[in-house]
Amino acid sequence: GESVGLHLPTLSVQEGDNSIINCAYSNSASDYFIWYKQESGKGPQFIIDIRSNMDKRQGQRVTVLLNKTVKHLSLQIAATQPGDSAVYFCAETWSNDYKLSFGAGTTVTVRA
Amino acid sequence: DAGVTQSPTHLIKTRGQHVTLRCSPISGHKSVSWYQQVLGQGPQFIFQYYEKEERGRGNFPDRFSARQFPNYSSELNVNALLLGDSALYLCASSLAGGRRNEQFFGPGTRLTVL
Repeated sequence: GESVGLHLPTLSVQEGDNSIINCAYSNSASDYFIWYKQESGKGPQFIIDIRSNMDKRQGQRVTVLLNKTVKHLSLQIAATQPGDSAVYFCAETWSNDYKLSFGAGTTVTVRA
Repeated sequence: DAGVTQSPTHLIKTRGQHVTLRCSPISGHKSVSWYQQVLGQGPQFIFQYYEKEERGRGNFPDRFSARQFPNYSSELNVNALLLGDSALYLCASSLAGGRRNEQFFGPGTRLTVL
């Protein structure tokens, strides 16, 4: 699989491999994090979320890891498929706020 | 079930004009949030409304305003358009206000200011 330690704007992945998308969040007070997938011409689609009292959460083919010490969030996609090609955003929020603050996004391209 | 719908899909305006964008939330959802997404960037929060009351406002000038109607649909108005207002405007609905309720996004309205 592909492992990226730093946030990169693009990620090219071989179909069937695992991919890891990284995100550094900005606010140490953030206590809720969400990963969104945005396909061309569509709005962001919820993938998975995690609260600050957890460090790992698993969904269907996806896993989110949270490292509060270094303010880092990652999304792991298992057995990447062509339909996973999209822009992936992490979003953060905190108790006293109603808004979601989005990161810059990573464009994932799956190679056949 | 119908998701969040937005109209129009695309819009072209000239500088100085005003624009109204519309959003219909998922049935049963009482909260609507608006985001601006400039090409190549993540969405930026503009407003959140819940039960017709403004719950939160992002760092946008007063040219931006919004309202929510009794049927929970919402309008976003932008006056005195600038070139920099060109963006995809996203509407998201959730069951209630607050960020812990999952927000469902519509397809957006693509605004181009010439």
